[in-house]
Amino acid sequence: AQTVTQSQPEMSVQEAETVTLSCTYDTSESNYYLFWYKQPPSRQMILVIRQEAYKQQNATENRFSVNFQKAAKSFSLKISDSQLGDTAMYFCAFMNPLGTYKYIFGTGTRLKVLA
Amino acid sequence: DTAVSQTPKYLVTQMENDKSIKCEQNLGHDTMYWYKQDSKKFLKIMFSYNNKELIINETVPNRFSPKSPDKAHLNLHINSLELGDSAVYFCASRGTSGEIYEQYFGPGTRLTVT
Repeated sequence: AQTVTQSQPEMSVQEAETVTLSCTYDTSESNYYLFWYKQPPSRQMILVIRQEAYKQQNATENRFSVNFQKAAKSFSLKISDSQLGDTAMYFCAFMNPLGTYKYIFGTGTRLKVLA
Repeated sequence: DTAVSQTPKYLVTQMENDKSIKCEQNLGHDTMYWYKQDSKKFLKIMFSYNNKELIINETVPNRFSPKSPDKAHLNLHINSLELGDSAVYFCASRGTSGEIYEQYFGPGTRLTVT
């Protein structure tokens, strides 16, 4: 069974600095999708970035980028130029597109951006 | 227009009552999900429907029953509510545009059982 592990329950970063959130996963599949979701205090789940496992190039979305290491089964999120609005829970998620399209979420990392 | 909507957003009820949460998506997606987020923020899948057919049914008490009258709607009915059912329940739908399997979440329903 696939699992997703986020080993950092809480992190903090100074405004304008860079922070990296870790995520590892376990799967025997070769084709899958990985996601980072943000949940601010409003509780709305917002997609931050996605990565297709068959693509070697790391995904980027403005200040957000990932370091995808397929062999190591690692999918970390880097936030550059951190802003106060980045304060949120961040969830890493795995999805296998074969079968039931089930998404498996990590336990989350609470990120606080300090002024 | 809201992509995925849920009603109600807040629900406070007493133990042993029966309640329903409704979810609607206007994205034209075929697949919808229900998740439960507990007090520790852990997000766990409960059910998934694809075009009105149940395709994921996790280990959930049978007091929880999903119903999908059409592919744009997925409702969650809970019988005989218990204190442990207090949580935030999220509905989501999944896109299939190209190869991007992005989930779109509703705003969540905070259920409090007293």
